[in-house]
Amino acid sequence: EAGVTQFPSHSVIEKGQTVTLRCDPISGHDNLYWYRRVMGKEIKFLLHFVKESKQDESGMPNNRFLAERTGGTYSTLKVQPAELEDSGVYFCASSQTLNTGQYFGPGTRLTVL
Amino acid sequence: KNEVEQSPQNLTAQEGEFITINCSYSVGISALHWLQQHPGGGIVSLFMLSSGKKKHGRLIATINIQEKHSSLHITASHPRDSAVYICAVSGNNDMRFGAGTRLTVKP
Repeated sequence: EAGVTQFPSHSVIEKGQTVTLRCDPISGHDNLYWYRRVMGKEIKFLLHFVKESKQDESGMPNNRFLAERTGGTYSTLKVQPAELEDSGVYFCASSQTLNTGQYFGPGTRLTVL
Repeated sequence: KNEVEQSPQNLTAQEGEFITINCSYSVGISALHWLQQHPGGGIVSLFMLSSGKKKHGRLIATINIQEKHSSLHITASHPRDSAVYICAVSGNNDMRFGAGTRLTVKP
């Protein structure tokens, strides 16, 4: 069974540019989560999808971040325009139900110059 | 103050030593997770537990719900155990993470 995959693995962009991160959850997992870890800080929750619906987006830092999960399969996280403080590692995770463990992707390392 | 506190922040051990990493939390939870992150790598879920104790190979995780405390133990540690170990707690929809414990096991 394929695990959670994320693309790209690394992204280096300039301040003001747009970046789109993609997450493919494990097939059949309705729950999809986005997290990020900025330098020196703990991992923070961004948002949670159940199928295509945003269940909780309380962790999204501001309106420069837009997450979508059209069709309830893969998800994208767009940052527009990117700022220096957006640099970090963005993790995606999926789970079958709320009560089962989350499987994490390898993360996307975003560097904003 | 972080809602999930881990100790120690850094830990260096000799191969073969018994290792304990502690996690305390201050919020209500539905489950506690122990995660492992290797340098440059993604995150692997080691345990999810809501009570008692779980064992997988040389790893043991315990949780005391009343005291809001969990421990991760590694028996007979090995250099390949070197990684960052992260404690996280899940509530209704989100997950809150500790800062991680960086473990280095020397041969």
